Amino acid sequence: GESVGLHLPTLSVQEGDNSIINCAYSNSASDYFIWYKQESGKGPQFIIDIRSNMDKRQGQRVTVLLNKTVKHLSLQIAATQPGDSAVYFCAEKYGNNRLAFGKGNQVVVIP
Amino acid sequence: ETGVTQSPTHLIKTRGQQVTLRCSSQSGHNTVSWYQQALGQGPQFIFQYYREEENGRGNFPPRFSGLQFPNYSSELNVNALELDDSALYLCASSIPPGDEQFFGPGTRLTVL
Repeated sequence: GESVGLHLPTLSVQEGDNSIINCAYSNSASDYFIWYKQESGKGPQFIIDIRSNMDKRQGQRVTVLLNKTVKHLSLQIAATQPGDSAVYFCAEKYGNNRLAFGKGNQVVVIP
Repeated sequence: ETGVTQSPTHLIKTRGQQVTLRCSSQSGHNTVSWYQQALGQGPQFIFQYYREEENGRGNFPPRFSGLQFPNYSSELNVNALELDDSALYLCASSIPPGDEQFFGPGTRLTVL
């Protein structure tokens, strides 16, 4: 399928290593943030979310960190696997449950 | 439980034509949001429908319109197509007050 990752910042990571993807958001009033994974030819898939009253949340192999002072989100993927190769978007919720997405980061896992 | 489905998967139109895209929400979800994703970009919010009423709109012209039906499925209509309308159109369903939105696979629209 057609790549969603053209001209995106790309992180190349060795299989088994940890990945860190960063994102800056714009609205200091946002209270809910989500990381999505998008594979070529597919819609965004929910990975993990975090509310503004938290600064860290862990899932299976993934951790999201939120720094409200500098309006920064990061996604850490532990022991990166080939199936993690995709474009990753951060999104912030605003208004009536609408999402504002960042530009995306392409992750390429090298076997 | 059936996830979000969209049809068609791909569509080719010419400039000036009209197009209708369809979305079936996840079972029990009464809110559908539509997004436009240009190549290499993140999705951009078009509008949202809640219980058959438009419930918020992004920065898109009036030639982008929509409907939601009693079964919560939804249509996105685009009139007077322009070349820049070429994109992946995504719909996402949710059920307030929950925050999580579940995305469909998208419809790839190409305008020639």
